[in-house]
Amino acid sequence: SAVISQKPSRDICQRGTSLTIQCQVDSQVTMMFWYRQQPGQSLTLIATANQGSEATYESGFVIDKFPISRPNLTFSTLTVSNMSPEDSSIYLCSVGLSNYGYTFGSGTRLTVV
Amino acid sequence: GDSVTQMEGPVTLSEEAFLTINCTYTATGYPSLFWYVQYPGEGLQLLLKATKADDKGSNKGFEATYRKETTSFHLEKGSVQVSDSAVYFCAQSAGSNSGYALNFGKGTSLLVTP
Repeated sequence: SAVISQKPSRDICQRGTSLTIQCQVDSQVTMMFWYRQQPGQSLTLIATANQGSEATYESGFVIDKFPISRPNLTFSTLTVSNMSPEDSSIYLCSVGLSNYGYTFGSGTRLTVV
Repeated sequence: GDSVTQMEGPVTLSEEAFLTINCTYTATGYPSLFWYVQYPGEGLQLLLKATKADDKGSNKGFEATYRKETTSFHLEKGSVQVSDSAVYFCAQSAGSNSGYALNFGKGTSLLVTP
């Protein structure tokens, strides 16, 4: 299975600032997925990132707030922009390498103060 | 739309007790089904999966069978250990390849006491 390196692992940020989260995969993958896990909650899909095209966002998430880059088949970034305390969550990236197999990064625990 | 429903937690069991965590799904097609586990302070790990009806996924003593007739994928373990204390997520993938994201249930917290 793929190995994903996600960083930073955690950060404490001031409201109004932005944070960029990086995910590096040790294999080439077509699709990468970004999720948010709010405290004590399940995972919610933010967007799907395909290399060479704009990310596809789920209802309730917009590109201005969560811009995503996907410059190649092994790397992606998610930026959380103009942060507020409500953005405090764990953010995870994920890839599906072969049929039905999905691997997750270790997550970025974001606290906005 | 497609969704996953799993039993509410927290579930508290004594060591060596039998575990069942219920999971049902709705889907327009034929999803693949997964159980993920999240240990305290750690990331998500795939526990087991099943890709078609009547498939049984198993790992570390946990089992789940893909039941199309009841649209269920219940997680079971015959004898739980303290180290099994974690949050368990049932999930489905809408499509038959890795181009589809996972859709998660709300998670069930399990606490196993000595």
